[in-house]
Amino acid sequence: GAGVSQSPRYKVAKRGQDVALRCDPISGHVSLFWYQQALGQGPEFLTYFQNEAQLDKSGLPSDRFFAERPEGSVSTLKIQRTQQEDSAVYLCASTQVGGRRTDTQYFGPGTRLTVL
Amino acid sequence: ELKVEQNPLFLSMQEGKNYTIYCNYSTTSDRLYWYRQDPGKSLESLFVLLSNGAVKQEGRLMASLDTKARLSTLHITAAVHDLSATYFCAVDSIGNRDDKIIFGKGTRLHILP
Repeated sequence: GAGVSQSPRYKVAKRGQDVALRCDPISGHVSLFWYQQALGQGPEFLTYFQNEAQLDKSGLPSDRFFAERPEGSVSTLKIQRTQQEDSAVYLCASTQVGGRRTDTQYFGPGTRLTVL
Repeated sequence: ELKVEQNPLFLSMQEGKNYTIYCNYSTTSDRLYWYRQDPGKSLESLFVLLSNGAVKQEGRLMASLDTKARLSTLHITAAVHDLSATYFCAVDSIGNRDDKIIFGKGTRLHILP
């Protein structure tokens, strides 16, 4: 496709359930980022991949959060034993070149996660 | 720790008026981004400012960067309703302790007809 896609667009989970959020970056894009955006706030960095390598996971809020990009394209953000405070929009972005110091990040539409 | 502050956080203005959104950041950076987000939508890149004194314009929006003052502005000229959205600035903190891109809280802009 022409842009970054994410699925599902909406996810409702009961507290304690595991969820998996998918990101399809723009074809050929080297870098991939995950952000968490709480209601009324700016996006907060979670983790960053360059190809299949996870170079920075310092923003992941707890060890319940796990991200992977095994073949350097599609990425999955997994949240285990979801809690209500995990409710947010999870945004994925990709950039053409490696490294964070790039001109433009292309964002996907996000996955809105609601934990009941 | 790099902090990014935007003001105002909320702005309601009449069509045809001019206004400026401010973005202050706390530590050295030479790369600043402006994004637009419509309700329920993702972020759209507006400007990337790469050096001190950089100025970029697109339609009724103009962004500038003063790295010495650690300040960027987004100026809106003769506002129209279609510009109603939330505007975020983000700062590249590479080389600083945080080593990531930090977003401000956003400015929610509502333009009244």
